[in-house]
Amino acid sequence: GVTQSPTHLIKTRGQQVTLRCSSQSGHNTVSWYQQALGQGPQFIFQYYREEENGRGNFPPRFSGLQFPNDSSELNVNALELDDSALYLCASSLDRYTEAFFGQGTRLTVV
Amino acid sequence: QQQVKQSPQSLIVQKGGISIINCAYENTAFDYFPWYQQFPGKGPALLIAIRPDVSEKKEGRFTISFNKSAKQFSLHIMDSQPGDSATYFCAARGSGAGSYQLTFGKGTKLSVIP
Repeated sequence: GVTQSPTHLIKTRGQQVTLRCSSQSGHNTVSWYQQALGQGPQFIFQYYREEENGRGNFPPRFSGLQFPNDSSELNVNALELDDSALYLCASSLDRYTEAFFGQGTRLTVV
Repeated sequence: QQQVKQSPQSLIVQKGGISIINCAYENTAFDYFPWYQQFPGKGPALLIAIRPDVSEKKEGRFTISFNKSAKQFSLHIMDSQPGDSATYFCAARGSGAGSYQLTFGKGTKLSVIP
């Protein structure tokens, strides 16, 4: 399946954070979503074959990387209190196929 | 702009009853409509999905009904069980360039009481 690390994280406002995701083997597409408490997931961006393939309404301080070994990461700079959320990684065989989510990383910014 | 509207926000159903969750979308470019189930502390899990060339899809106790002209789709859970208690999200996605992301509804918290 899709695994994410760490499961929980507490950071201070202004700091930087890196969240990691391991996709299902053979999946060439990974997407990241932010889920605020009591809300549906919001699309951050998608990577397809190691290149950014689409981006939601998030500022440039949200960035990502996808590696050839089925791993990817989400980086957030200059953390703000509103960045506190569950961050979800979803992998899919291709851009148009079913997306399978990891368990998420709960980020708390204090 | 909320492109996928989901209702109700919460739902309480007796064990054995039918749970019905509704969604409406605005973007006619959407052509893939999945439903996800999420338990507390977990990521969303794909339940069932439909494309607009069919009006209904059934998998076990879960059925999606799709009305393309009304731009609405719904999830029916037959014989609801306490283990179905979770938050359910409808979503939609297009297939054109730049349309690969899932757009989610706000979720429905389902509670199935014994």
